[in-house]
Amino acid sequence: EAGVAQSPRYKIIEKRQSVAFWCNPISGHATLYWYQQILGQGPKLLIQFQNNGVVDDSQLPKDRFSAERLKGVDSTLKIQPAKLEDSAVYLCASRNWGRGQETQYFGPGTRLLVL
Amino acid sequence: AQTVTQSQPEMSVQEAETVTLSCTYDTSENNYYLFWYKQPPSRQMILVIRQEAYKQQNATENRFSVNFQKAAKSFSLKISDSQLGDTAMYFCAFQGRGNYGQNFVFGPGTRLSVLP
Repeated sequence: EAGVAQSPRYKIIEKRQSVAFWCNPISGHATLYWYQQILGQGPKLLIQFQNNGVVDDSQLPKDRFSAERLKGVDSTLKIQPAKLEDSAVYLCASRNWGRGQETQYFGPGTRLLVL
Repeated sequence: AQTVTQSQPEMSVQEAETVTLSCTYDTSENNYYLFWYKQPPSRQMILVIRQEAYKQQNATENRFSVNFQKAAKSFSLKISDSQLGDTAMYFCAFQGRGNYGQNFVFGPGTRLSVLP
């Protein structure tokens, strides 16, 4: 079974530029998460999708971050414009739906450096 | 809101010995899940072990076991016969049973180094 795929793996941009990250979850996984992991910290949930609908985006800085999951499969996370404090690893995770399916499976992450 | 605390930022253990990582959490929920995830230097997060709060029996997975104390809201991870490949960041995580909303929380992590 293929794992969660993310691209790009690394990205360097200047502040005020825009950037987009892509995630392809495990086939059949209805739930998809985006996390921000700042160096030395645990991941922080940004947004959770159930199929193509947003379940929770309470910690997403909506003035600059946006995310979508068209057709309930792939997802993109965008930052526009980027700030220095957005430098982090952005992790995508997916899981199946239902009791007993709580384990999240993570992708390798996209490391973003904002200069 | 739930919180997860890991009081040991860094730990080290000699190869083949046993180490215990601590985790405490705060919640008003009665039914929930707890996880330990491992993040090696390559940064791919991997599930180590999970525990359902309504199960009294502590979970075990080969060399990994937990000590789940629900009343104390404590969830420690014991690694037996430590191996060099166990070197990683270890994150304790909490998930409420609702499946929705802001109910999945990671702790700050413990960096474990296994020494040869």
